Amino acid sequence: DAGITQSPRHKVTETGTPVTLRCHQTENHRYMYWYRQDPGHGLRLIHYSYGVKDTDKGEVSDGYSVSRSKTEDFLLTLESATSSQTSVYFCAISESNSPLHFGNGTRLTVT
Amino acid sequence: GQQLNQSPQSMFIQEGEDVSMNCTSSSIFNTWLWYKQDPGEGPVLLIALYKAGELTSNGRLTAQFGITRKDSFLNISASIPSDVGIYFCAGQLIQGAQKLVFGQGTRLTINP
Repeated sequence: DAGITQSPRHKVTETGTPVTLRCHQTENHRYMYWYRQDPGHGLRLIHYSYGVKDTDKGEVSDGYSVSRSKTEDFLLTLESATSSQTSVYFCAISESNSPLHFGNGTRLTVT
Repeated sequence: GQQLNQSPQSMFIQEGEDVSMNCTSSSIFNTWLWYKQDPGEGPVLLIALYKAGELTSNGRLTAQFGITRKDSFLNISASIPSDVGIYFCAGQLIQGAQKLVFGQGTRLTINP
């Protein structure tokens, strides 16, 4: 898993509550990403970061925010979770022009 | 948004058979990647392709970057039980940050 730790691995939360997922890397890679995986959709990019405090939106960013205060940590926040955000969330890292390496995912259930 | 058309969606084969899957897109990509995902884990990179026409092997796996830059295929020869999983293709549109577009996946099941 290329030195990537996602926490928690599983979470159940109620609609309307805030949720933060954490991704921690030990590879000192510049780029970090958050994807969600849903049946029939493959993996879709939520947000990504190209450096400390530098982030940008992906394909499905509505309802999500991110922060990167240190090279090694990339946080994904759902300000007010909805049932449509039930999914498996994957963090990935890369260097410029190098393939992504993924963590083992966080399974989030919003009831 | 962008999507890759990956086929087939699922395959049921006998151990020892060869496997072929492919991805097509309406967009041109600079890079094609193939990943494999086991249950409860993240996708793991199998092969990366960087040039149109490139043919690359990794053990029993062979992948090609289509000459039009709009397609790629992955072949697995002499399948074994540990090949079971979901295979994803991914295309990269721009340099720098790897904003990948993924196919929907091919689920491979092998009967021993």
